[in-house]
Amino acid sequence: AQSVTQPDIHITVSEGASLELRCNYSYGATPYLFWYVQSPGQGLQLLLKYFSGDTLVQGIKGFEAEFKRSQSSFNLRKPSVHWSDAAEYFCAVGAGGGADGLTFGKGTHLIIQP
Amino acid sequence: EAQVTQNPRYLITVTGKKLTVTCSQNMNHEYMSWYRQDPGLGLRQIYYSMNVEVTDKGDVPEGYKVSRKEKRNFPLILESPSPNQTSLYFCASTDDQTGKGEQYFGPGTRLTVT
Repeated sequence: AQSVTQPDIHITVSEGASLELRCNYSYGATPYLFWYVQSPGQGLQLLLKYFSGDTLVQGIKGFEAEFKRSQSSFNLRKPSVHWSDAAEYFCAVGAGGGADGLTFGKGTHLIIQP
Repeated sequence: EAQVTQNPRYLITVTGKKLTVTCSQNMNHEYMSWYRQDPGLGLRQIYYSMNVEVTDKGDVPEGYKVSRKEKRNFPLILESPSPNQTSLYFCASTDDQTGKGEQYFGPGTRLTVT
């Protein structure tokens, strides 16, 4: 069975600083990987996804993520964070086919300091 | 507009009083899922459905039922709610055309059981 680990429960970053959120997955075959963001009191919004091809994927709101098969990682990055980026971030892995749904990490809570 | 809708968005109920949370999607997706979100636990899958009249348990199915009588609807039923089912619930519909598990989430239903 697949699993996702987000090692950081909370991360605090100053506004304008760079950001990296870590995600490690466990899956036996080619993973389909996703990052979602959840702003306070809101639903889930897809930031970006990796299916195949270029291992560096670009998403919305200036985010990008890099798939590293050798490290089983799919870390999310942003060069300069804005106060509006404060939110909960979830990494997820899909088994393919779609029927089984996604397995989510426990989330990383991002705090932005002024 | 492609969307997943859930009703109600907020619900406060008492232990043992049966309730149903509705979910509907307009994308003609075959696959649908229900998740619950709890602090520190991320999202956990309750049930999923691969098509009309085809459903299966996810990771945390105890205390829940689902039905899939029509392709667009996937209601979540709590026959006898208990306080440990107080949670934020998300319905999701999977883009089965890509076969890669990308899911579209509803806005969430916040349930409180007293």
